[in-house]
Amino acid sequence: GAVVSQHPSWVICKSGTSVKIECRSLDFQATTMFWYRQFPKQSLMLMATSNEGSKATYEQGVEKDKFLINHASLTLSTLTVTSAHPEDSSFYICSARGGGLAGQIPYNEQFFGPGTRLTVL
Amino acid sequence: TQLLEQSPQFLSIQEGENLTVYCNSSSVFSSLQWYRQEPGEGPVLLVTVVTGGEVKKLKRLTFQFGDARKDSSLHITAAQPGDTGLYLCAGLSGTYKYIFGTGTRLKVLA
Repeated sequence: GAVVSQHPSWVICKSGTSVKIECRSLDFQATTMFWYRQFPKQSLMLMATSNEGSKATYEQGVEKDKFLINHASLTLSTLTVTSAHPEDSSFYICSARGGGLAGQIPYNEQFFGPGTRLTVL
Repeated sequence: TQLLEQSPQFLSIQEGENLTVYCNSSSVFSSLQWYRQEPGEGPVLLVTVVTGGEVKKLKRLTFQFGDARKDSSLHITAAQPGDTGLYLCAGLSGTYKYIFGTGTRLKVLA
């Protein structure tokens, strides 16, 4: 159990275009999803926390108008990189945290998607 | 700002050797997780520790949470090439946000 998928797994786009990345929890309901960014050979940097049905909470230094997050259901969150530029090229990873209901994922355990590699030309 | 510093940053060892990775902070965390990540993939959870002083074992891996819940260590016995990867600790800040450590890149040579 506890499978999280991301789509697409990689994307190449031209500068100035927008790119949408989907994060889905396949076998559990995720009350909270997190979006991270990872540069080569570095650790994960939390960008924002997404709660179903409410506005995302962004970390300091992350532009909310640049990185649009929507969490429309308990199994899907999307990250849209608007007007992408080469400096936005990175590995974007989402994680999902369960709601702690009986038989589901323990509360406070997060499970990661496989990541999306974005390259902006 | 809460920071989790991992040491060492890089480690290259021969198969069969033992090693310890440290994860240190000045902040208290309600729980702490260890992950291993391979290139181009998402991190995979190894263990979650919750109680100060807690020790958990996973085959050749031993995890310890500091008494004050500010630090943790990961010890690998008789490392194998399959242990190669990026090891990340992550502390749970408050009740919802995970702060990741700086990472330790391990390479085990056959």
